[in-house]
Amino acid sequence: DIVLTQSPGTLSLSPGERATLSCRASQSVSSTSLAWYQQKPGQAPRLLIYGASTRATGIPDRFSGSGSGTDFTLTITRLEPEDFAVYYCQHYGSSLWTFGQGTKVEIK
Amino acid sequence: EVQLVQSGAEVKKPGESLKISCKGSGYSFTNYWIGWVRQMPGKGLEWMGIIYPGDSDTRYSPSFQGQVTISADKSISTAYLQWSSLKASDTAMYYCARHRFDSISYYYYYYMDVWGKGTTVTVSS
Repeated sequence: DIVLTQSPGTLSLSPGERATLSCRASQSVSSTSLAWYQQKPGQAPRLLIYGASTRATGIPDRFSGSGSGTDFTLTITRLEPEDFAVYYCQHYGSSLWTFGQGTKVEIK
Repeated sequence: EVQLVQSGAEVKKPGESLKISCKGSGYSFTNYWIGWVRQMPGKGLEWMGIIYPGDSDTRYSPSFQGQVTISADKSISTAYLQWSSLKASDTAMYYCARHRFDSISYYYYYYMDVWGKGTTVTVSS
């Protein structure tokens, strides 16, 4: 089974800074099966990126996804106050859906 | 507007049974997979399983197979997650989510695009 490992566990940044979040798969995966979600406290997750790099409807262009094989990245170019949240990557394969353990982006 | 509306919070005792629901609206309920995701207090997201309401085809995570039952009633556009005997360790938030298997330009894309707000389940004696 594919294991997704996200790093760092916590990212402490200031508004306006750039955030770079990593998601590493235990073996090579198709980029079309990789998605990213944002979850704010007390809220359900929200789809940000699918297919590793395609923004979901309504997602601002400061969010971008990239990567292939085993290494994927979510980048937030300029952090807005509403971007401080937990971010999860997700993979689908062999009838199984898997999430990474999450990266918390907190205000420094 | 596409929505998934989940049933309200539950407080149960160990050993009791429970069925929570997720009602879809604004789209063709029978044509999309819908599934459940668990989030234990202070923890991450865990995928539990999915169902295709059109034919009730159901898939489970090995971690949850035999522990819960996923079902759907397409006549009322509602999916369910049920337990026959709850344990304290079932205390968690449970989200339903529409699962997409999209074919775009010869490739398949897999993601969860619509989420319910969650149902809190508390199991305590």
